[in-house]
Parts: sequence; structure tokens; C-alpha cells
Amino acid sequence: GQQLNQSPQSMFIQEGEDVSMNCTSSSIFNTWLWYKQDPGEGPVLLIALYKAGELTSNGRLTAQFGITRKDSFLNISASIPSDVGIYFCAGKGSNYKLTFGKGTLLTVNP
Amino acid sequence: ETGVTQTPRHLVMGMTNKKSLKCEQHLGHNAMYWYKQSAKKPLELMFVYSLEERVENNSVPSRFSPECPNSSHLFLHLHTLQPEDSALYLCASSQDIGGAEQFFGPGTRLTVL
Repeated sequence: GQQLNQSPQSMFIQEGEDVSMNCTSSSIFNTWLWYKQDPGEGPVLLIALYKAGELTSNGRLTAQFGITRKDSFLNISASIPSDVGIYFCAGKGSNYKLTFGKGTLLTVNP
Repeated sequence: ETGVTQTPRHLVMGMTNKKSLKCEQHLGHNAMYWYKQSAKKPLELMFVYSLEERVENNSVPSRFSPECPNSSHLFLHLHTLQPEDSALYLCASSQDIGGAEQFFGPGTRLTVL
């Protein structure tokens, strides 16, 4: 089946720093999604990308759909303590299923 | 209530118990999903319903039994579970089964003793 490699697995940063994480796939996806999950909660959709090369922002978050359709990255600028959580990428191919990465655990030190 | 709600939020059960998880979506969506989230593993899709019809049963053991009485409600009936079934069970919905944007509930943290 399809697999996503998400990296890094975890990050420890200082408040105010920028963060970058990415996902790569062995297969082509038609849609890339980025979710954030807080402890004890379900994943919350942050950004959805529908077109190769697309660059989309949501506040301090920016995500891009790679040109090859096999990768995507998420940047967070000027991190704040509430950015702490697990960030998941997910890709959707031609069927209805989402393939998820294993997540990037982000810790922000005030 | 808004979005996707799940009850209970926490559940502890013995291996011989029978319990049910409930999910309700207030988004007017037509597709609903059950996922299992275990530590250090990607989310695992268990079941998919589209307009109350089951579309996917992803090789899930029969001790998990889903039910979708209408497009807003989804249940997961549990019986004779094993300790390795302990996990966070997440419900999600999307506008239609082809819709990429899935919206998740807060999950039920299940512990099987």
C-alpha cells in the first residue's frame, strides 16, 4: 500500500523560531492535507492543497504541494507555545482513502 | 453542538464486556469514518460509510461492529476485545465519500483490561 514518510519525527525549538516539516510518498497524490493534533483531542485540519505547485497560507502556517505530487511541506513562522502538538500530513489519491504520516511532534520552549 | 462529537471520551472495559462508541456529525456530511490511532503508528482506517451504506471494512476483526442508522450518526459496537485493541478511536466525516477534507471528532480513549 501507499506509505508516507514524514520528517522529522520530533522537533524541539525556541519560541519565535520558524519550523519546517515535510512528507514524501512513493506514489502520486491528488490532494495533500495537514492536520494538527493536541493531546487528548482529534486531528484538526489546518491546510488542504489540491494542485501541484500550490502554495497556501493559513495565518503563520504555509504549506506547499510539491511539483512531483509526491511531497509536501509545512512551515510555521514565529512559533508560539500553543503551536505545541503533533502535526500529520495526509495524502489522497484517486480513491476516497487518506494515507497518513506518522506525525511530527513539535515542542516549543517559551 | 458543532462539528463532530464523540462519546464517551474515555472508556475502560474488560475483555468480556460489550460497549458502544457513538459519533455524531453536525456538518451535514454524507460520509463517515472510523479510525484507530495507536502510538507511533499512522491512523488506520477501519470502516467507511457513505449515505448510511458501508463502503469499506478494512480487514477489521468481527469483535468490532459498526452501525450507521443515518448520515449524522455512527456507532462502533465492541465485544470480546483484546488488550491490544486499546487505542484512541476517532470518528471523521466528509462532505461526500470522494471529499478529501475529513473532519475529526475528539476521539474515545479505549483501554481494554
